[in-house]
Amino acid sequence: AQSVTQLGSHVSVSEGALVLLRCNYSSSVPPYLFWYVQYPNQGLQLLLKYTTGATLVKGINGFEAEFKKSETSFHLTKPSAHMSDAAEYFCAVSERGFQKLVFGTGTRLLVSP
Amino acid sequence: GAGVSQSPRYKVAKRGQDVALRCDPISGHVSLFWYQQALGQGPEFLTYFQNEAQLDKSGLPSDRFFAERPEGSVSTLKIQRTQQEDSAVYLCASSLDAGTGRDTIYFGEGSWLTVV
Repeated sequence: AQSVTQLGSHVSVSEGALVLLRCNYSSSVPPYLFWYVQYPNQGLQLLLKYTTGATLVKGINGFEAEFKKSETSFHLTKPSAHMSDAAEYFCAVSERGFQKLVFGTGTRLLVSP
Repeated sequence: GAGVSQSPRYKVAKRGQDVALRCDPISGHVSLFWYQQALGQGPEFLTYFQNEAQLDKSGLPSDRFFAERPEGSVSTLKIQRTQQEDSAVYLCASSLDAGTGRDTIYFGEGSWLTVV
């Protein structure tokens, strides 16, 4: 069965600092991997996804993530945090060929001035 | 429409009451999903439609939960005899065709259900 582990329910950074949100997955087949962001009282918005090809994936709002098969990881990074990045971030995995997503428990990103 | 639309946005139900949650997917999207998100948790899969066919309902927590999409567009999630543990946000999502596994899934803003 697939699963996702997000280390750290809360991450705090200062504005302008590096953002690093950790995600490790478990899958018996080559996975598709996703990062979604959720702002208060809103639905989920796709930040980026990995399906095949280049392992470094660039998404919206300056975020990127790298698929590392040997480490079963898909960590999300952004070089410089902005106040508007404060939100809940979810990592998700799905089996290739089907989009039933399995989500992690989420990481709340707090950005201080 | 421009995005996935869900109604009602907020629903307070008395324990034992039946509720119906509606989802309007993006026009032309073949695949439709329902997820349940409890407070402080990630979304959990409930069920999946390809057009009007319900291909996977393995995530429905009990036989009190029922979903339909009779004409392959609008979908309704029905919860009978609601219980307090049903309190959650119910997210609807759609994509062009989930069969490829590559399409982007678009989520609605959710229906917040509180059972008192």
